[in-house]
Amino acid sequence: DVKVTQSSRYLVKRTGEKVFLECVQDMDHENMFWYRQDPGLGLRLIYFSYDVKMKEKGDIPEGYSVSREKKERFSLILESASTNQTSMYLCASSTTGGTNTGELFFGEGSRLTVL
Amino acid sequence: AQSVTQPDIHITVSEGASLELRCNYSYGATPYLFWYVQSPGQGLQLLLKYFSGDTLVQGIKGFEAEFKRSQSSFNLRKPSVHWSDAAEYFCAVGNTGGFKTIFGAGTRLFVKA
Repeated sequence: DVKVTQSSRYLVKRTGEKVFLECVQDMDHENMFWYRQDPGLGLRLIYFSYDVKMKEKGDIPEGYSVSREKKERFSLILESASTNQTSMYLCASSTTGGTNTGELFFGEGSRLTVL
Repeated sequence: AQSVTQPDIHITVSEGASLELRCNYSYGATPYLFWYVQSPGQGLQLLLKYFSGDTLVQGIKGFEAEFKRSQSSFNLRKPSVHWSDAAEYFCAVGNTGGFKTIFGAGTRLFVKA
């Protein structure tokens, strides 16, 4: 069964801490994404990557960075966490071409609370 | 500007009743259209998608959706709702590869016995 795995389901951090959110996919997908989900706002794209070491800003990249050193792994980094980054973070992957094109496969999410 | 509107923040239906969730979009090119479902505490799962061809598409769990280009709509329907359908539903519009996927704000479905 295809899978996107987010390493941490729940995290509580303090303001100013550095936070790493890890995501691994086993579908050999080229593309990986980090979204932020907030009530009433739907999903907003933070960053995406279409290849190893490649990254592109999404709609709300401020305060975040990403790393993709291996095809299957995509990390989201909060250099200095702030309370307004308290949210649910969703990782997704996709492939380009074929019948699955455009479809996003999601992990279960990481709920981050910044105190 | 590209956008997706789900007019209903939440909907309550009785178990066994029919369901229609509304979705309107604004997209410059021919859209790829999706409906995703999110159960509490979970990620999103694809229900169905439309790329081209027959404008009535069937998905998993007995859901279907109809693409109406003239109305820029892609409404989701189910003839008989089950209690397990209680979840949040997201309409999305995008392109190949998923790079420009835009999500609506979601509609939360409550099912009453």
